[in-house]
Amino acid sequence: KQEVTQIPAALSVPEGENLVLNCSFTDSAIYNLQWFRQDPGKGLTSLLLIQSSQREQTSGRLNASLDKSSGRSTLYIAASQPGDSATYLCAVRPETSGSRLTFGEGTQLTVNP
Amino acid sequence: EPEVTQTPSHQVTQMGQEVILRCVPISNHLYFYWYRQILGQKVEFLVSFYNNEISEKSEIFDDQFSVERPDGSNFTLKIRSTKLEDSAMYFCASSDYRATEAFFGQGTRLTVV
Repeated sequence: KQEVTQIPAALSVPEGENLVLNCSFTDSAIYNLQWFRQDPGKGLTSLLLIQSSQREQTSGRLNASLDKSSGRSTLYIAASQPGDSATYLCAVRPETSGSRLTFGEGTQLTVNP
Repeated sequence: EPEVTQTPSHQVTQMGQEVILRCVPISNHLYFYWYRQILGQKVEFLVSFYNNEISEKSEIFDDQFSVERPDGSNFTLKIRSTKLEDSAMYFCASSDYRATEAFFGQGTRLTVV
């Protein structure tokens, strides 16, 4: 059974800092991995989708990397801003016929002005 | 920008009552999903739906749950007889194909009293 873990559970940084969020998964047989942002009491906003054949995917100040064989992904946020404060979730989709996403518990990020 | 919309945003119901949660997926998407998030816990997969039938379901999705696409735009989740432990945020999501980027709605917070 796939398990997804995110470290750290919470992170507080000053504005302008570059930071890295970590995601690990136990079963490397994934089709792709998706990073989401969740604001308190709100829905999930898709940030990046990275296919299992890709090593990196970039969107603006965000860069996601994937090392499928070692079961790890990182989300790099450059020049953090207070508006980046949210919970960041990673989720993996299996290689097999299933379409379900398995989520980690998230990293709660606070960027202080 | 197209988005997934869910109604209502918050529903309070008495234990044992039936509830229907409604979703309008993105219009050209073919795959539809329900996930839930109990307060303080991970987002969990419930069911995926394609071509008017369930394509995958989790062990959570028992006989108390059902899904339906009653017309060309709506996608519903019915809980037949709610329990206290059904209290959670329920998210609808859609994607254009099976394993492509999933887009989530803002959620319906269900409170069972």
